[in-house]
Amino acid sequence: NAGVTQTPKFQVLKTGQSMTLQCAQDMNHNSMYWYRQDPGMGLRLIYYSASEGTTDKGEVPNGYNVSRLNKREFSLRLESAAPSQTSVYFCASDQGGTYGYTFGSGTRLTVV
Amino acid sequence: DQQVKQNSPSLSVQEGRISILNCDYTNSMFDYFLWYKKYPAEGPTFLISISSIKDKNEDGRFTVFLNKSAKHLSLHIVPSQPGDSAVYFCAASAVGTGNQFYFGTGTSLTVIP
Repeated sequence: NAGVTQTPKFQVLKTGQSMTLQCAQDMNHNSMYWYRQDPGMGLRLIYYSASEGTTDKGEVPNGYNVSRLNKREFSLRLESAAPSQTSVYFCASDQGGTYGYTFGSGTRLTVV
Repeated sequence: DQQVKQNSPSLSVQEGRISILNCDYTNSMFDYFLWYKKYPAEGPTFLISISSIKDKNEDGRFTVFLNKSAKHLSLHIVPSQPGDSAVYFCAASAVGTGNQFYFGTGTSLTVIP
């Protein structure tokens, strides 16, 4: 059981380049999330999808777009990367209730 | 503005002793709280949760206490083991916001053998 799978694990971008971070879950969870983790800031919610076909902004959505492709997949796109987007990105999913999120192992993105 | 705060970036404890990790929050609408544990190069993993209708929840060596009037929660680990060395995040969600969680900045726990 893979849980939540994120690709790639590492990426270096030049300022202005675009890329898509991929996330897939195999737990039949309805809700999926994208967080970023920065030193001294904890994890901050970028976008979430409460169910297939819906997406909503989180705390720090600027500079990002998302697509909930189907129930399994939730992608995060950077259209024009900036150094301020250097971070570790985590995808998560959950089934509601008291179990919390299941996180992927993260994507470490550096924008130079 | 950080709504969930973990004021101790790090904590060291001897093996077998109690570890106490603290978390404060500012939003009185938060009604559900979780603790996550994170090892390097891995995603956080769910550890334990507590609802605002309770003031304590226990799961094996882990106990979470909630003091709503002080807007404070703590995680107790007894006895601490070297494998508990990790970064611990507390997280909170508010009623009516589904499962959107606000995370603290984390406390790095080191259990010394």
